[in-house]
Amino acid sequence: DIVVTQSPDSLAVSLGERATINCKSSQSLLYSSNNKNYLAWYQQKPGQSPKVLIYWASTRESGVPDRFSGSGSGTDFTLTISSLQAEDVAVYYCQQYYSTPLTFGGGTKVEIK
Amino acid sequence: QVQLVQSGAEVKKSGASVKVSCEASGYTFTSYGISWVRQAPGQGLEWMGWSSTYNGNTDYAQKFQGRITMTTDTSTSTAYMELRSLGSDDTAVYYCARDLGIYKDWGQGTLVTVSS
Repeated sequence: DIVVTQSPDSLAVSLGERATINCKSSQSLLYSSNNKNYLAWYQQKPGQSPKVLIYWASTRESGVPDRFSGSGSGTDFTLTISSLQAEDVAVYYCQQYYSTPLTFGGGTKVEIK
Repeated sequence: QVQLVQSGAEVKKSGASVKVSCEASGYTFTSYGISWVRQAPGQGLEWMGWSSTYNGNTDYAQKFQGRITMTTDTSTSTAYMELRSLGSDDTAVYYCARDLGIYKDWGQGTLVTVSS
């Protein structure tokens, strides 16, 4: 199974400041035949279902604000919130969909400092 | 718009079974599989498995092999997840999701509480 490890477990960021979440996989998520990284990022607010923000490591889902961006390749990935807004308080998960069992990172709780 | 509507909360005794439903609308049901993901209280997301709405094929996480069954009913565009031999550590919110590899559409979740 591919193990996906997120860091940090939580972070507190001032409004308008940058938040960075890291995700590391135990094996490469880059599929050579199409040069795509099988890594997605989700946001989950309390009492809600998860919502996809980013897929293919860096493709922003339609309707997601452009302050959210994803980067990385192979085994190391990053989700960046360029200017934290109050509505971004949530838990963020990375997920690999390279192979089953699909696996999620443990989550990063983002709060306002 | 795509909607996945799940059945209501359940309370079960240890050792019992639960069957959660997920009714899909807003797209061609047989064009996408349905995956199931669960979340224990205060914990992260755990993939349970996937079922094909086209031919009934399934792929279960090893952890649940032998006590899980995922099925679909194309006549009602509904997917089902049955989990047997419930234990207290099965207390969780169970989600269905339309499977495009990534999960763009989720059900609202079904809380299953297992008590002894």
